[in-house]
Amino acid sequence: DTAVSQTPKYLVTQMGNDKSIKCEQNLGHDTMYWYKQDSKKFLKIMFSYNNKELIINETVPNRFSPKSPDKAHLNLHINSLELGDSAVYFCASSQVFRGRGPQETQYFGPGTRLLVL
Amino acid sequence: AQKITQTQPGMFVQEKEAVTLDCTYDTSDQSYGLFWYKQPSSGEMIFLIYQGSYDEQNATEGRYSLNFQKARKSANLVISASQLGDSAMYFCAMREPPGGGSTLGRLYFGRGTQLTVWP
Repeated sequence: DTAVSQTPKYLVTQMGNDKSIKCEQNLGHDTMYWYKQDSKKFLKIMFSYNNKELIINETVPNRFSPKSPDKAHLNLHINSLELGDSAVYFCASSQVFRGRGPQETQYFGPGTRLLVL
Repeated sequence: AQKITQTQPGMFVQEKEAVTLDCTYDTSDQSYGLFWYKQPSSGEMIFLIYQGSYDEQNATEGRYSLNFQKARKSANLVISASQLGDSAMYFCAMREPPGGGSTLGRLYFGRGTQLTVWP
């Protein structure tokens, strides 16, 4: 019944390593995202994908590479991890309905807590 | 300039009372969407409520309502009859319409308001 799922939930790794986070949604939504939430709880969008296509890249370092094999999956690969990458990474999905104005619902995954040592 | 401003870093309310969490936004577009999310201490982000800029009525979902004042560019969240489980961080967000050939508008989040409900 999980709408948006992410794995792993926790990730502890050394600087310089490469790691991946996986995300899947079973809501049939067209759009998926990756967000980063820092230690001060500031939430910043990283990438937006619509129907497997990258729509928005919010000036994220190219060490971060998202990949969407299909509409229901959006994975995030991070190369050469740095201390500053330690954060909670959220995947989300949304469906935008176009009526007189946009109508949208957006749901988040449980988050992946990344700690780089 | 910030797109979303939440001026209250922290708010306190007694159980069963109503509380208003402030949110102002900055956009020159006529078509946009406004969201509120709740993040309890367990960390998950919970979608609460959505208001489209063309919606004439304030959005309501159970005990949550969005006090939408378009001319003032404010989208305050009102929680009625607060419960202890409402203690959480609350985020306001705005979706702008697509531009520059994109099929999706940019999404902006505020810095959040930490709500504490006491018995």
